[in-house]
Amino acid sequence: SQTIHQWPATLVQPVGSPLSLECTVEGTSNPNLYWYRQAAGRGLQLLFYSVGIGQISSEVPQNLSASRPQDRQFILSSKKLLLSDSGFYLCAWSVGGTPTNEQFFGPGTRLTVL
Amino acid sequence: AQKVTQAQTEISVVEKEDVTLDCVYETRDTTYYLFWYKQPPSGELVFLIRRNSFDEQNEISGRYSWNFQKSTSSFNFTITASQVVDSAVYFCALSVNTGTASKLTFGTGTRLQVTL
Repeated sequence: SQTIHQWPATLVQPVGSPLSLECTVEGTSNPNLYWYRQAAGRGLQLLFYSVGIGQISSEVPQNLSASRPQDRQFILSSKKLLLSDSGFYLCAWSVGGTPTNEQFFGPGTRLTVL
Repeated sequence: AQKVTQAQTEISVVEKEDVTLDCVYETRDTTYYLFWYKQPPSGELVFLIRRNSFDEQNEISGRYSWNFQKSTSSFNFTITASQVVDSAVYFCALSVNTGTASKLTFGTGTRLQVTL
């Protein structure tokens, strides 16, 4: 069966510090991968998605970037965090090659920028 | 552009009551897919159901049922005989065929509180 991992689970960082959140998927090959952010009391906003190694699409202009160095690894980064980057970050995967499949989500990382 | 509206921000019911969560969507695409997800206090989103725009049959899964009506662009979710474990935030979402990636547009969610 497929599983998706995210770490760390929680993170408190000062403004201006770098960020690296990692997401890995097991039990599937060539998945589509996604990063979402959920601000407090809000819905989910798609930040990035990837259909393959090295292929990144950005949905909203922002202070963050994403990379996919391996087939089942998706990384969310920032060089300098802003207060507005605080939120709950969720990674998700779906079966590759099909645009309409359901997405399966990881446990999330709660980021607080102080 | 796609839009999903969940007008109910928060609903409180007593256990064993039935409750319906509303979802209204907007899209110009004729082929689209609708989803419901559950987000318990732990934070992880749990997939509940996917429906495509060509299948308007209602679906029942245990205490859960979904009513899809294209005429009103709605995809409502009913929980029968609610239980405390149903307490969570529920999200409705929509995706259209935009290539090889499934890009979900989420509503803002409905927080359901079930009390004894």
